[in-house]
This record gives sequence, structure tokens and C-alpha cells, in this order.
Amino acid sequence: DAGVIQSPRHEVTEMGQEVTLRCKPISGHNSLFWYRQTMMRGLELLIYFNNNVPIDDSGMPEDRFSAKMPNASFSTLKIQPSEPRDSAVYFCASSLGLPTSPLHFGNGTRLTVT
Amino acid sequence: KNQVEQSPQSLIILEGKNCTLQCNYTVSPFSNLRWYKQDTGRGPVSLTIMTFSENTKSNGRYTATLDADTKQSSLHITASQLSDSASYICVVSANNAGNMLTFGGGTRLMVKP
Repeated sequence: DAGVIQSPRHEVTEMGQEVTLRCKPISGHNSLFWYRQTMMRGLELLIYFNNNVPIDDSGMPEDRFSAKMPNASFSTLKIQPSEPRDSAVYFCASSLGLPTSPLHFGNGTRLTVT
Repeated sequence: KNQVEQSPQSLIILEGKNCTLQCNYTVSPFSNLRWYKQDTGRGPVSLTIMTFSENTKSNGRYTATLDADTKQSSLHITASQLSDSASYICVVSANNAGNMLTFGGGTRLMVKP
């Protein structure tokens, strides 16, 4: 299996622009997570999907952030409009959804907003 | 407030030596404790997952221990290799869904030749 695939690997954009991050989870995994990682705050959960349905979006910072999972093999995280404080590495992870299922992380998208 | 504290923050050891990383947590309720390895520029990779009833689990040269009474865990690395240079993150799960994970700040390990 190719693992969790994220694109793009790097994104540089100007403040105010829309940014869309993409994720393909591991086939057969029914849980998908979006995380943000910064030096100051470490890894933070943004949103959690189970069977394509958003279950917990309490970590989404504000209305500028939105996430979708139109099918079991694709998810997007959109930031509109982007701000410099959104600069971070964004990870997508998937799992089988069992209590001791490990999270399988993608290699992240490094977002820089200037 | 749920918290996971890791020590040391960083560590430098010589290749071939052993080391032990520590994790203390105040997470309730408790479902399981996980250790992840994160190489620079990559996503975290799962090393071990332990439930309440497990007090030790190994994955190759990595051995994790769990004391649920004192809420402490350790990750022991035996005969370190240069490829062990990474951040090691302790994560405690408060539920079975996996969305109530509390992450430690990580220990950055550097193995020198």
C-alpha cells in the first residue's frame, strides 16, 4: 500500500488567498483525521471523519477553515482566506477506527502564508 | 486538563548506546498510550500501542513500558543507530474513537557516530 497520500507537499501563498490541501487515505480505513503541527503548539486535531461523516470539528480554528470528505478515498481541507498565522505543517491521517488502531500519517503539507 | 509531558526535550547519544525516554500523563479517562517516531519532514509513524492491562510492548529495538497506576510510560531504545535520530512523541488516548488524543511535546533524539 502507498500509505496516506497528501498533496501538495509544499504550498506558498499570499495572505488572503484560498488554499486547498488534499488527502487520499489508505484503502479500507474508515477514519480520517486532519492535524496541524507547529513548533509552539505541537500536533493539534482539526477535524475527524468516520465513514465520510464529520464527527468532531471542535479543533477547526474558525470559519475560514472547512473540510470535506466526498467519498472514502478523498478529503480536502480548505482555508479561505488564508492568514500568516495559518503557516504550519498540515497532516492527514487515517485508521481502521478500532480502539487500538494506529494512525497512519501522510507526510504532510508545509503551508507558508506570506 | 489532559496533559502529556515528555522528558528530556532533547537528547544526544553515541551510536550503539541505549537510551530511555520518559512520558508522564494526566489523561482521564484512559484508553491507550502510543509512541510515535517522527523523522524530519515526515509524518509520525506508530511504534507501539498499549492498553491499560499491558505493561510492556516491544517493536524491534524499541521497548515501551506502561505503569497505569503512576501514569508513566517509557520508551527504551537498544543499541541505537543513526536512523533512530528523530522526534519521539508520546500520545494518550481518552477514548476508543481515536479523536481524543493528547500529544506530548516530543523528545528530539540525535544519534551521533
